[in-house]
Amino acid sequence: DQQVKQNSPSLSVQEGRISILNCDYTNSMFDYFLWYKKYPAEGPTFLISISSIKDKNEDGRFTVFLNKSAKHLSLHIVPSQPGDSAVYFCAAREETSGSRLTFGEGTQLTVNP
Amino acid sequence: DSGVTQTPKHLITATGQRVTLRCSPRSGDLSVYWYQQSLDQGLQFLIQYYNGEERAKGNILERFSAQQFPDLHSELNLSSLELGDSALYFCASSPGQGARGANVLTFGAGSRLTVL
Repeated sequence: DQQVKQNSPSLSVQEGRISILNCDYTNSMFDYFLWYKKYPAEGPTFLISISSIKDKNEDGRFTVFLNKSAKHLSLHIVPSQPGDSAVYFCAAREETSGSRLTFGEGTQLTVNP
Repeated sequence: DSGVTQTPKHLITATGQRVTLRCSPRSGDLSVYWYQQSLDQGLQFLIQYYNGEERAKGNILERFSAQQFPDLHSELNLSSLELGDSALYFCASSPGQGARGANVLTFGAGSRLTVL
């Protein structure tokens, strides 16, 4: 039972354009959502998060949007840079599970110069 | 450097063997989490410890066990290894529940296990 799904295994964009990574979830008890970035041979690193009481959170070039009714969130990167090339994981926390996170399968983003 | 230290970085062993993966959490963090990432898969939650006590269990096989020691470091023991156990094993840590930043897990670089 995959509660967090990232349906696009890969995404390729041109430098300077917008990257949009999508994530869907099924568990209505999720109350906190995070995006992690992972480079090869490194562990995932925290990028940005959003509480379920908000619909948008912005941090520099990164913006996360949450649509609770559709159980969908997205990460926008504007403008995309070659250094953003990495695997991006969507993760969610259930209110009663403490800090334990449920992850999606990841999306490989490639930003071409 | 995330502050979460995992050893060994790479491990190659044979089927039927037993290995131990070690994790030192970030200074001040009380919770330790173990995740498994198999090829082309997301991170699957295995188990969580908080201040030495088991807090939550996920999809952890009976052949696997873990513990957290008084100094807060944790070990994941994998026994009777099978080819399918080949994966990246990540440890993560977080502050105690309710503490500032408790919602964000900090990950180590992982231990890559190859079972031949």
